[in-house]
Amino acid sequence: AQTVTQSQPEMSVQEAETVTLSCTYDTSESNYYLFWYKQPPSRQMILVIRQEAYKQQNATENRFSVNFQKAAKSFSLKISDSQLGDTAMYFCAFMNYGGSQGNLIFGKGTKLSVKP
Amino acid sequence: DTEVTQTPKHLVMGMTNKKSLKCEQHMGHRAMYWYKQKAKKPPELMFVYSYEKLSINESVPSRFSPECPNSSLLNLHLHALQPEDSALYLCASSPPLEDNEQFFGPGTRLTVL
Repeated sequence: AQTVTQSQPEMSVQEAETVTLSCTYDTSESNYYLFWYKQPPSRQMILVIRQEAYKQQNATENRFSVNFQKAAKSFSLKISDSQLGDTAMYFCAFMNYGGSQGNLIFGKGTKLSVKP
Repeated sequence: DTEVTQTPKHLVMGMTNKKSLKCEQHMGHRAMYWYKQKAKKPPELMFVYSYEKLSINESVPSRFSPECPNSSLLNLHLHALQPEDSALYLCASSPPLEDNEQFFGPGTRLTVL
């Protein structure tokens, strides 16, 4: 069975600095998706970034980028130039490619606080 | 329209009440999901509808009854709930299988007294 581990329950960062959130996963599959979702205190879960396992190039979305290490089964999220609006719970998630829909496996989350 | 909407935002109900949660999307997605989320925890999958048919039921108690009247609408009927059912209930939808990103609604905060 696949598992997703986020080892940092809470983190804080000063505004404008860079922070990296860790995520490791366990799977025997070779094709899959990885996601980072953000859930601000207002509750709406939104997708931050996604990575297809078959792509070697790390995904980037503006200030958000990932370091995807397939062999190490690691998928960390780097937030550059942190902003107060980045304060949220961040969930790392895994999904098998072509698997049954709904099979989105979440980590326990990292609570990120951006301080002014 | 690129969002999932949920109503109501908040709901307080007694253990003998019957209520319903509603979820709607107009993105043409054919898979819709219900999740339960307790405070400071990740979402837990409850049900999945694919092309308006129930495809996954994660051993959810029968006091929760999902319904998918059409491809845009998903309901969750609640009856005889327990206080431990108090949680945030999230709805999500996703495109066809090859592109599995799930889009989440803002959730309904349910309190069972």
